[in-house]
Amino acid sequence: AQKVTQAQTEISVVEKEDVTLDCVYETRDTTYYLFWYKQPPSGELVFLIRRNSFDEQNEISGRYSWNFQKSTSSFNFTITASQVVDSAVYFCALVGGATNKLIFGTGTLLAVQP
Amino acid sequence: DTEVTQTPKHLVMGMTNKKSLKCEQHMGHRAMYWYKQKAKKPPELMFVYSYEKLSINESVPSRFSPECPNSSLLNLHLHALQPEDSALYLCASSQPGLAEIQETQYFGPGTRLLVL
Repeated sequence: AQKVTQAQTEISVVEKEDVTLDCVYETRDTTYYLFWYKQPPSGELVFLIRRNSFDEQNEISGRYSWNFQKSTSSFNFTITASQVVDSAVYFCALVGGATNKLIFGTGTLLAVQP
Repeated sequence: DTEVTQTPKHLVMGMTNKKSLKCEQHMGHRAMYWYKQKAKKPPELMFVYSYEKLSINESVPSRFSPECPNSSLLNLHLHALQPEDSALYLCASSQPGLAEIQETQYFGPGTRLLVL
């Protein structure tokens, strides 16, 4: 069975703080893909990153960085110098095997206070 | 800006009404999806169309009827809904992918549905 766990339900930080959102996944597939999506209050799910199981290189995009570790089945997301506009629900998701089905975690609500 | 559009943004309907949600994508994708999202929950997959054919139906009640008239349009026809069907309905699209290669799903802004 496939599963994504985001243990942090809500995180509150003050602007300019760094924050890490945790994601732990379970899958028996050898080929799988991991995703992060951002959902602001408006409701749209915004794609942030996609990683396949054979690519463990960490990635940095501006203030965002992702740490993928197969040894611990984790795909954590760090926002550096957080801003109020980062306030949103962040979902980690997994697709494994030959299916189109995104398995979402329960999401982490990030509130960045000015 | 999203290239997946959804109309209407908001919809209020009675339990005896018939309404439709519309989704359109302009990215040349050949797979389209409907998700249902309740408040404070992750999206739940309802239907998947691949090359205009229904490939996945997640045991959705028949009061929800999907339709894919062409590769860029996806409709969700609603009839005799219940108040518990009130939710955010999200449409997504992607390339279908080859074998185990999974393409990224891109989402629209959603339709907030309230059933009275």
